[in-house]
Amino acid sequence: GAVVSQHPSRVICKSGTSVKIECRSLDFQATTMFWYRQFPKQSLMLMATSNEGSKATYEQGVEKDKFLINHASLTLSTLTVTSAHPEDSSFYICSASVTGRFPYEQYFGPGTRLTVT
Amino acid sequence: AQKITQTQPGMFVQEKEAVTLDCTYDTSDPSYGLFWYKQPSSGEMIFLIYQGSYDQQNATEGRYSLNFQKARKSANLVISASQLGDSAMYFCAMREGPGGYNKLIFGAGTRLAVHP
Repeated sequence: GAVVSQHPSRVICKSGTSVKIECRSLDFQATTMFWYRQFPKQSLMLMATSNEGSKATYEQGVEKDKFLINHASLTLSTLTVTSAHPEDSSFYICSASVTGRFPYEQYFGPGTRLTVT
Repeated sequence: AQKITQTQPGMFVQEKEAVTLDCTYDTSDPSYGLFWYKQPSSGEMIFLIYQGSYDQQNATEGRYSLNFQKARKSANLVISASQLGDSAMYFCAMREGPGGYNKLIFGAGTRLAVHP
């Protein structure tokens, strides 16, 4: 199978601080990684798409300066929530897909629950 | 307009019975893919089944089958012989375009409760 890990699984931080979430593909090279946000009892909302070595493409309404995404290698993407506020509290999930591996389903990480106090 | 519509916020089913979760989609792209994911309370997203727009036959994966009606733009998930462990949120998603770099669009989800 294709395994994606996320770290940390839970994080609590104070308002105004920054938090970094890591997403790793453990047994495959991820050409493209995606970052989602999920509020309680709601669906997944795509925040951005990142391809290794290039700038992330952000969805409309997502602040790129607040949610910094780096995809420096084929196995690692990071999401940094800068100057976090309580409204940033959410469940963040990353996923990865592999070019050429049909049917191109996205392999999801276990998610990171962020709480900003 | 909603690209993926799941009209059932919640569904109940008796253990060992079959259940159908509805999903309709809207796209003008001739090449697309439809996915179903399961999300238990732990939060992980588990891939269940895939249907390609050019596939002639309905996809099946064990107890899961996808009732694909292209003209109606529907891709309903059928779970046969429900088990207690099937209780979870189920999301239908669509990928527009042929590649793995294309983003997924998710529906609102259906919460399934399996009763003993």
